[in-house]
Amino acid sequence: SYELTQPLSVSVALGQTARITCGGNNIGSKNVHWYQQKPGQAPVLVIYRDSNRPSGIPERFSGSNSGNTATLTISRAQAGDEADYYCQVWDSRVVFGGGTKLTVL
Amino acid sequence: QVQLQESGPGLVKPSETLSLTCTVSGGSVSSGSYYWSWIRQPPGKGLEWIGYIYYSGSTNYNPSLKSRVTISVDTSKNQFSLKLSSVTAADTAVYYCARSSGDITIFGVVILYWFDPWGQGTLVTVSS
Repeated sequence: SYELTQPLSVSVALGQTARITCGGNNIGSKNVHWYQQKPGQAPVLVIYRDSNRPSGIPERFSGSNSGNTATLTISRAQAGDEADYYCQVWDSRVVFGGGTKLTVL
Repeated sequence: QVQLQESGPGLVKPSETLSLTCTVSGGSVSSGSYYWSWIRQPPGKGLEWIGYIYYSGSTNYNPSLKSRVTISVDTSKNQFSLKLSSVTAADTAVYYCARSSGDITIFGVVILYWFDPWGQGTLVTVSS
């Protein structure tokens, strides 16, 4: 079955750029979606179809997808961006990555 | 703005059946544009998709749970429901309902896209 691999944790200095990767076999051929989940809250969609931002999501959030890696990029990281981030694709069923904890230092 | 709200018992005994309902407001489960899913998250762990239902009643389940899962829809109440049978402690989790869009391929296969919005989630504990 299809698997998505994310780093367990990523740290970024306040105001710098964070990059969270999501690895999968030929993931570039799939639509990748990203969610932000803060403690005690439901996930929130931040990127859909690789690089599209829903309304209300800051422009600081962007996405890319090519080859075997999709990437969520958070520019000018803020303390409020600290959260778990999950990638998701469809491969005959819904597949989620294991999640990445983003720490803003 | 569509909102989803989960409801159901917070405690279920081992070997019994977990039953949850998701009530949709601000939109209709009968909309042909969307699919309605259940997703769960064990404490401290990641997300696991359980399955979806379309307003017509067609379903698709995660193969790892398929033998124990039933998802149904009640268009008159604007709700859809989850039943998970023979539960164990491993089924303890926060259960979310969510809406997704999708496409149907030329072969009649449904492809689900992103989930938005999600319900707030409800914790179900399996314990005697």
